Amino acid sequence: AQSVTQPDIHITVSEGASLELRCNYSYGATPYLFWYVQSPGQGLQLLLKYFSGDTLVQGIKGFEAEFKRSQSSFNLRKPSVHWSDAAEYFCAVGARSGGYNKLIFGAGTRLAVHP
Amino acid sequence: GAGVSQSPRYKVAKRGQDVALRCDPISGHVSLFWYQQALGQGPEFLTYFQNEAQLDKSGLPSDRFFAERPEGSVSTLKIQRTQQEDSAVYLCASSFSGPAHNEQFFGPGTRLTVL
Repeated sequence: AQSVTQPDIHITVSEGASLELRCNYSYGATPYLFWYVQSPGQGLQLLLKYFSGDTLVQGIKGFEAEFKRSQSSFNLRKPSVHWSDAAEYFCAVGARSGGYNKLIFGAGTRLAVHP
Repeated sequence: GAGVSQSPRYKVAKRGQDVALRCDPISGHVSLFWYQQALGQGPEFLTYFQNEAQLDKSGLPSDRFFAERPEGSVSTLKIQRTQQEDSAVYLCASSFSGPAHNEQFFGPGTRLTVL
């Protein structure tokens, strides 16, 4: 069965420090992978997505993620975190069926940023 | 243009009451999804519409949950005889038709609390 694991429930970093959020997936075929961010009271916003091609994908707000098939991972990175990045981050895999994506989400990682 | 909107944003119901949650997708979006997000968890798929057709309702947790999209735009998720375990944030998302990797745009959600 398809699944997504985000091993870190909470992460705290200092402003200006680098960030890596981990994501591991289980999916039988080539996965469609997504990272979303959710701020309090807001809907989910797509940061980036991977479907095929270059395994290093760039997203909005200075985020990037690298798809590693051998490790079944799709970790999210940012070289320098800003206080406004404090939010909850969700990794998701698209369980494709009949031409649409049923997104399967991990449990999320809550990011806190210290000044 | 306007994004996905949902109403009400907050709903408190007594156990046993029926509730109706509304989703207004982005104009022209053919695909519409409902997800349920329990506290501290990632969203979980409930159901999928393509225009007015409900093509996938595999995630609906019980027959107390019912969704409709009669004219292929606005959708309503109805929960009958609410139970405490129904307390969650209900998220609606819409996307263009076509390839399965199209981005799903999420609304802010309706937070349902069942007392």
